[in-house]
Parts: sequence; structure tokens; C-alpha cells
Amino acid sequence: DQQVKQNSPSLSVQEGRISILNCDYTNSMFDYFLWYKKYPAEGPTFLISISSIKDKNEDGRFTVFLNKSAKHLSLHIVPSQPGDSAVYFCAASGGETSGSRLTFGEGTQLTVNP
Amino acid sequence: SAVISQKPSRDICQRGTSLTIQCQVDSQVTMMFWYRQQPGQSLTLIATANQGSEATYESGFVIDKFPISRPNLTFSTLTVSNMSPEDSSIYLCSARRGVGTGELFFGEGSRLTVL
Repeated sequence: DQQVKQNSPSLSVQEGRISILNCDYTNSMFDYFLWYKKYPAEGPTFLISISSIKDKNEDGRFTVFLNKSAKHLSLHIVPSQPGDSAVYFCAASGGETSGSRLTFGEGTQLTVNP
Repeated sequence: SAVISQKPSRDICQRGTSLTIQCQVDSQVTMMFWYRQQPGQSLTLIATANQGSEATYESGFVIDKFPISRPNLTFSTLTVSNMSPEDSSIYLCSARRGVGTGELFFGEGSRLTVL
């Protein structure tokens, strides 16, 4: 039962353009969402998060949008840079039984071409 | 933030052997977790490492296969017991300062290959 899904395993964009990474979830108890970035041979690093009381959170070039009714969130990177090339994981937490555990999506490999 | 160090960073192991992965955090943290990332798949939570008591395992993971220790607030170990090729994976230690929601910090991972 994959509660967090990233349906696009890969995405390729040109430098300077916008990258949009999508994530869907099924558990309505999730109330906190995060995006992580992972380079090869490194652990995931936190990028940006959003609480369910908001529908948008922005940090520099990175913006996360949350659509609770659709159980969908997206990460926008603009402008995209070659150094953004990495695997991006969506994660979610929440609900009485989850404690503070995170449930991750499968990841999307972003490639930004110069 | 917290700096998390894992060792070994990688190892090649023989079927039937066991390997212990160590995780050291540079400061005291409340929560520590162990994740697994199998090739081409997402990060899957193995267990929550509880200080001074038995770990809390997720469905599909058992203590006999993945014994975990956490003797203090900055250190934990995960043992992968009686390994088979299906255990070939990246094992990641993670930590959080608080008990509620919030970001996890991850170690660089330990890549195990079982022959």
C-alpha cells in the first residue's frame, strides 16, 4: 500500500526553466509534508516543508504547493540549475498512529541540462 | 541541523553472515530511525530506535533479523542478520530533535551488497 506516490520516475528540464515535481498521497491523516533531495552516495537532505494549514510555502527558488482536496502536492524550482540534478523525494507524516514517522514516495530523478 | 555519521559506508558481505552498522550523531537527538532503500525503490522505515529500550519495528521487519541498539541519545546500531542477496540495499540512519513533525536528518547511508 503505497500511501505516497511520485508517478514520474524522471524529469528533464533546461537550465533556467521551471521544474515541477509532483506527489500524490492517499492517507487523509497526513498533515505535514516535506521534500528531500538526494545526490548519489549521499543521504537525503531536507529541502522544504509545508503544513496542512497552508497551501503554499516558498524558500528562494523552491516553492511547495499543497492541494488538500486533491491530496496532491508539488515542488516548483525556478529557475532550475544544473546543480539541482538529483533525486527528489516527497514525504508525509501525521495521524495518531504514525508518531513522527515519515512515509516517502518513490522519488523523481531530476536532470537539469545546461 | 545535525551531522550524522555512519560506518561502514559500504561493504560486500557473504550470504549467511551478519553486519552491524553504526550511527553517530554530533548532538543529542530525541528520535532516531533506521530506513532501507532497496535498488530503485523508496525509503522504507525499518524501526524507531528507542533509547534504553527495545526498538519499535514496522510491519514486515522483526528484531531477530534487524536487531537495533540505542544506548544513549547520540548513538545507535543496526545489525542485518543472516544476510541474503535480498538484503542488498542502502541502510540509512536518521534523527530528529523533537518528537513531533519536522525534518529528519540523514546519514550518508551504508551500501551493503550481499553475494
